[in-house]
Amino acid sequence: QKEVEQDPGPLSVPEGAIVSLNCTYSNSAFQYFMWYRQYSRKGPELLMYTYSSGNKEDGRFTAQVDKSSKYISLFIRDSQPSDSATYLCAMKRSGGGADGLTFGKGTHLIIQP
Amino acid sequence: KAGVTQTPRYLIKTRGQQVTLSCSPISGHRSVSWYQQTPGQGLQFLFEYFSETQRNKGNFPGRFSGRQFSNSRSEMNVSTLELGDSALYLCASTHVGTEQYFGPGTRLTVT
Repeated sequence: QKEVEQDPGPLSVPEGAIVSLNCTYSNSAFQYFMWYRQYSRKGPELLMYTYSSGNKEDGRFTAQVDKSSKYISLFIRDSQPSDSATYLCAMKRSGGGADGLTFGKGTHLIIQP
Repeated sequence: KAGVTQTPRYLIKTRGQQVTLSCSPISGHRSVSWYQQTPGQGLQFLFEYFSETQRNKGNFPGRFSGRQFSNSRSEMNVSTLELGDSALYLCASTHVGTEQYFGPGTRLTVT
């Protein structure tokens, strides 16, 4: 079993829909959770960063962490064609830079105009 | 503020050769991490440097190595290249927190 599981998709939704992206993980030591967006042939772009359980909102994006269930989510409201990309969840055990990120394999999202 | 830069962006090498990739972090960031991204394995952590010291290393063979200079710029080296080393190599820089900001990557093709 991989430490972080993420459905690769593709997930195709119409423009304006609410998108729900999810990851599950097995290592209870993970405390820091991130979502990255990666366009084709580009580097990952940090979207959301959350510490421990709870919700965080930034514009059209909401990140949720449920540590009891080892489950994290990213919601995108009013989805746009420009949101079409691969979304990667990432997590780490400790703060600071030394601990490398553990990534899910990414979900390919397609927003249909 | 300029982002993370990586050079070269594309590289083609032959099996058995070695390669050196370069990364310049965001100004003021002192931690640099390297990752390998392949379709099969996804993004995997290679190693992390802070103040010219390697603090952490992922599960990769010794053919993969790196270093960091006093200006925080970092290089990674892969010796005796194998076909399976073909990948997008990503560098990320961190200031004092946990957020890692990635560069555009170097796409390495081994033939």
